[in-house]
Amino acid sequence: DAGVTQSPTHLIKTRGQHVTLRCSPISGHKSVSWYQQVLGQGPQFIFQYYEKEERGRGNFPDRFSARQFPNYSSELNVNALLLGDSALYLCASSLVPLSYEQYFGPGTRLTVT
Amino acid sequence: GNSVTQMEGPVTLSEEAFLTINCTYTATGYPSLFWYVQYPGEGLQLLLKATKADDKGSNKGFEATYRKETTSFHLEKGSVQVSDSAVYFCALMPRGGQGGKLIFGQGTELSVKP
Repeated sequence: DAGVTQSPTHLIKTRGQHVTLRCSPISGHKSVSWYQQVLGQGPQFIFQYYEKEERGRGNFPDRFSARQFPNYSSELNVNALLLGDSALYLCASSLVPLSYEQYFGPGTRLTVT
Repeated sequence: GNSVTQMEGPVTLSEEAFLTINCTYTATGYPSLFWYVQYPGEGLQLLLKATKADDKGSNKGFEATYRKETTSFHLEKGSVQVSDSAVYFCALMPRGGQGGKLIFGQGTELSVKP
């Protein structure tokens, strides 16, 4: 079975631009979470979605937004990119939001120049 | 608030050495505790978990015991291999309203030399 997939793998953007990152969860999983991992640090929680509704939000500015589609895939959008947004963005899927078992994708490496 | 603190790395060991990576946490209530591993260029993989006090999680020779009295969840392995070289993250998942959100430590890089 396919694991969590994310696209693109790498992305280079300029300050002020907008970016969209995509995630497809494991088949049957209805919950998707997004994390930001800055180099040398642990991942930080951004959002959790379940059944197309936001179920949790971390301490990130409104420039960050996300949505979940009927097929449970998800997009993370970041507007007005800053140099500090450069990071590995990880998507995790689980059967339900409170599941102990969260499966992570390989991530999208975003570089903002 | 909820937080996780890990011992700083990098940790360098010779093959077959004993490994301990310390992890302590601060949380309201009784969270679930996890160890994740990240190999170079890859995402995170769940290594083991414990959902209540005194539980011992184990996988691939790694073990960790949920110690409520010391708020700790130290990772141990009796004999490390070169293939264990990776970054290890301790994490907690709060109970109740914040459930589902993982809170990670800063990670500990392990390098095992032949």
